[in-house]
Amino acid sequence: GESVGLHLPTLSVQEGDNSIINCAYSNSASDYFIWYKQESGKGPQFIIDIRSNMDKRQGQRVTVLLNKTVKHLSLQIAATQPGDSAVYFCAETHTGRRALTFGSGTRLQVQP
Amino acid sequence: DVKVTQSSRYLVKRTGEKVFLECVQDMDHENMFWYRQDPGLGLRLIYFSYDVKMKEKGDIPEGYSVSREKKERFSLILESASTNQTSMYLCASSPPGQPGGTEAFFGQGTRLTVV
Repeated sequence: GESVGLHLPTLSVQEGDNSIINCAYSNSASDYFIWYKQESGKGPQFIIDIRSNMDKRQGQRVTVLLNKTVKHLSLQIAATQPGDSAVYFCAETHTGRRALTFGSGTRLQVQP
Repeated sequence: DVKVTQSSRYLVKRTGEKVFLECVQDMDHENMFWYRQDPGLGLRLIYFSYDVKMKEKGDIPEGYSVSREKKERFSLILESASTNQTSMYLCASSPPGQPGGTEAFFGQGTRLTVV
């Protein structure tokens, strides 16, 4: 069946460094890939998405890279700040599916 | 701002009880979702609804049902609560036209403990 997974459960970075959070997926039919951020005590919040016909998309301090050949997705956060500390989820969906399939999440810890 | 409100932050219920989790959104979204979140498993879809009185099973619907009598309200029902339903429950909504509810707006979650 389809699955969306993450390489590391926890990532610790120094404030000001760049962060890279990775995600692997298995469904070749995936059309959209999305990153969500969940801060402690809150629901997940949309960060950025990318369609399967793209390999890179940039937002404010974030970049998502998609490598369909190896079914790999990454979220890059530039100049990581304490407010970036959270759990990050990748998710995917595809034509015919009306909801998202989420990965298990990576906890990003930003050290001062 | 879109607001998705879940009626309770914390609930403690006894095994066998019928439990109602309520969710209300204020942005007139067609799509609404219920997920459960467990450590190491991410978010798993229980049920979703794409219109009033319409519902579809998600990936783990067993032991749950839903109700959507009004567009803004989506209720999750645990027919007979069991300890393995102890979890964080998250409600979300999204506007139409987004594949799979790409940009979903989530409530703050209800942490349910079944004892």
